[in-house]
Amino acid sequence: EAGVAQSPRYKIIEKRQSVAFWCNPISGHATLYWYQQILGQGPKLLIQFQNNGVVDDSQLPKDRFSAERLKGVDSTLKIQPAKLEDSAVYLCASSPNGGPIQETQYFGPGTRLLVL
Amino acid sequence: SQQGEEDPQALSIQEGENATMNCSYKTSINNLQWYRQNSGRGLVHLILIRSNEREKHSGRLRVTLDTSKKSSSLLITASRAADTASYFCAVGETSGSRLTFGEGTQLTVNP
Repeated sequence: EAGVAQSPRYKIIEKRQSVAFWCNPISGHATLYWYQQILGQGPKLLIQFQNNGVVDDSQLPKDRFSAERLKGVDSTLKIQPAKLEDSAVYLCASSPNGGPIQETQYFGPGTRLLVL
Repeated sequence: SQQGEEDPQALSIQEGENATMNCSYKTSINNLQWYRQNSGRGLVHLILIRSNEREKHSGRLRVTLDTSKKSSSLLITASRAADTASYFCAVGETSGSRLTFGEGTQLTVNP
């Protein structure tokens, strides 16, 4: 089966510009996650969707970050305006079901963002 | 709050040796998962151990969980150069549905 797809793979922008990332999860997976991974650190959850509803966005900087998952399939994550500290790898993951017990997550290759 | 904390931060061994990485956490958990990340790539799931399990095996991997000490360990036996990667533990807390990742252990296996 096809894995989690993300695009673009790399993006370089200047601070205060906007950027958007796209993710297509594994077919049939109900839950989709966006993580931010700063160099040398572990992934930090930004937002978790179950189908097209938000389960957890407590760590999403809502003044500049937004995400949507229309029709409960693919998703976009947007940053507007970008700051230098947003330079990181943005990882998308999906899992089959969802609910209170954490499942195995399947990760995409990530989008590496550099903000100059 | 920081959950999974890995130890050591970095580990360098020779091919054929065993590698052990440890993870400590702070709260009650449903499960604990280990993931591998090769440089510049996404994470790959290795193993999931539930809170009522004490040990699991998968190929050359052995994971233990001690809920009384709030700690887990990942053992890779007979390591290979291809095992060179970062290894992350991820804690599934009972208080929510989130997985919280640690900072990772960078493993280097020298041929």
